[in-house]
Amino acid sequence: DVVLTQSPLSLPVILGQPASISCRSSQSLVYSDGNTYLNWFQQRPGQSPRRLIYKVFNRDSGVPDRFSGSGSGTDFTLKISRVEAEDVAIYYCKEGTHWPPHIFGQGTKLEIK
Amino acid sequence: EVQLVESGGGLVKPGGSLRLSCAASGFTFSNAWMSWVRQTSGKGLEWVGRIKTKIDGWATDYAAPVKGRFVISRDDSKNTLYLQMNSLKIEDTGLYYCATDGNPWAGEVLYYWGQGTLVTVS
Repeated sequence: DVVLTQSPLSLPVILGQPASISCRSSQSLVYSDGNTYLNWFQQRPGQSPRRLIYKVFNRDSGVPDRFSGSGSGTDFTLKISRVEAEDVAIYYCKEGTHWPPHIFGQGTKLEIK
Repeated sequence: EVQLVESGGGLVKPGGSLRLSCAASGFTFSNAWMSWVRQTSGKGLEWVGRIKTKIDGWATDYAAPVKGRFVISRDDSKNTLYLQMNSLKIEDTGLYYCATDGNPWAGEVLYYWGQGTLVTVS
């Protein structure tokens, strides 16, 4: 199975400052149709996971534009341009190219410094 | 509005069984692939398994840790998804979510989630 490695696992950030989370895959995530099925999810404390990003860089409906996804092949990044208090959450990358199974990264806990 | 409501969680002894349900509304359930995803303290989010639609033969896939112990089924007449968990282990303890699924290119892949139901094996 594919392994997704996120870093850092803990991310203290000052309000208003940027944040960046890396997700590296053990295999290329380019699917046979040429698309790359890499998602990012946000899980706020006490809430269900919420999909933020699909196919590397596409924001889901209602996701603030301070969130952006980038990357290709095996290396991907989620960036928050200016962290707000509501962004405190665990962030997961997930690949959908080599499925089943759906594979998640270990999660990155973002907290306010 | 899409709603997924899980139920059936509880406390069970190792080796025991439990059946979870997920009641769906707000979309055409019979046309939707559905997945179960769990959240454990040790491993974060972990996909459990998936069931496809009648057209796809209700095919199922399972994660390796639960294969042979868990069974996913659905009743399209009741818009309900099930997860039968047998031979439960302590490491199965966690919050179990149902979520919409589909082919990689489908927009619904893990887009809608329920609120989760807690399973404790102890």
